[in-house]
Amino acid sequence: TQLLEQSPQFLSIQEGENLTVYCNSSSVFSSLQWYRQEPGEGPVLLVTVVTGGEVKKLKRLTFQFGDARKDSSLHITAAQPGDTGLYLCAGAATSGTYKYIFGTGTRLKVLA
Amino acid sequence: KAGVTQTPRYLIKTRGQQVTLSCSPISGHRSVSWYQQTPGQGLQFLFEYFSETQRNKGNFPGRFSGRQFSNSRSEMNVSTLELGDSALYLCASSLVQASYEQYFGPGTRLTVT
Repeated sequence: TQLLEQSPQFLSIQEGENLTVYCNSSSVFSSLQWYRQEPGEGPVLLVTVVTGGEVKKLKRLTFQFGDARKDSSLHITAAQPGDTGLYLCAGAATSGTYKYIFGTGTRLKVLA
Repeated sequence: KAGVTQTPRYLIKTRGQQVTLSCSPISGHRSVSWYQQTPGQGLQFLFEYFSETQRNKGNFPGRFSGRQFSNSRSEMNVSTLELGDSALYLCASSLVQASYEQYFGPGTRLTVT
């Protein structure tokens, strides 16, 4: 069974601080996505990483896919209150039937 | 382009009843996937429909079923509701089958009493 563990589970920081969220698995994923979900809404796709070692930047957000395609990280520079939300990583299984697996989630709160 | 829409947004049902949820995908998207989100289990894949056929299925009991119409709209049905079925039900659309880039609707919050 392919699982995606995220850490930390909860994070409360002050505006302007930096943070990193981790998404780890013992299995290889063909690709990995990061989503942000706000209360009462569905997840919104932020980025897709496909190649091992790949780094993508989206304004103040930096996403990295591990060399072995088993893990990923999301780094936010100078966090703002608008970054508050539930961050989810998700991956497509590489073997067997199609399965799209979501991580356990990191709930971020940025205080003004 | 309009996003994914789900109706109703909120629903309260009694244990033992059945419920039908509706999802309209982004125009041009032919795949619709359904997910259940709960605080304890997180987001779990229910099933995916493409071209009116169920293509993939998660590990949920047969009480959970769905269908897709020729215009790609999809419905999900849960029969004999249990208290544990209380959750946010999300649908996501994508251009192709088994896509790893999905666009989610706002969800239907189902409460079973």
